[in-house]
Amino acid sequence: RKEVEQDPGPFNVPEGATVAFNCTYSNSASQSFFWYRQDCRKEPKLLMSVYSSGNEDGRFTAQLNRASQYISLLIRDSKLSDSATYLCADEGSASKIIFGSGTRLSIRP
Amino acid sequence: DADVTQTPRNRITKTGKRIMLECSQTKGHDRMYWYRQDPGLGLRLIYYSFDVKDINKGEISDGYSVSRQAQAKFSLSLESAIPNQTALYFCATSEGTDPTYNEQFFGPGTRLTVL
Repeated sequence: RKEVEQDPGPFNVPEGATVAFNCTYSNSASQSFFWYRQDCRKEPKLLMSVYSSGNEDGRFTAQLNRASQYISLLIRDSKLSDSATYLCADEGSASKIIFGSGTRLSIRP
Repeated sequence: DADVTQTPRNRITKTGKRIMLECSQTKGHDRMYWYRQDPGLGLRLIYYSFDVKDINKGEISDGYSVSRQAQAKFSLSLESAIPNQTALYFCATSEGTDPTYNEQFFGPGTRLTVL
């Protein structure tokens, strides 16, 4: 089993919709989790970090479920500019980050 | 100016050639990382370094070597390139002072093609 798993998508949703992705992790000792956004052929950039039960930043909400070992990302009122690949990451052990393979999101007008 | 830079940005080479990818950072971070990204496989860690005297293998280090010449510089070498090393390579840094928070800052990437 991969340490961090994501549904690759693509998710194709209309502008204004709410969309959610899940990411499962295998290391029960992990403390820190992240969501990164990656535009085509660009470097990943941090979108949100996820601690304790979760946090919210504008239209974006990240949640952590330790019992089931997954994190989620919810995007409300999606914009065309939200189209990207979303990578989840688990800090895991030894302070090195393990990334999922990414979920592709495409927002259509 | 970019905080994390990579050179070259694109490189085409032939099987068996030695290749060096370079990474420099002006963020003052102690921790530096090399990843490769392949379609459908996400980012995979090749090597990482927590300070100048510390080098660690990641999940896919075979066929690669690294050098941490200074706090600001971390180079990745392919001693004898092979076609399945064709990928997008990213360097990243992180501050590392908070054990519970380790945001990674990525360079723009190097697209390497091995023929």
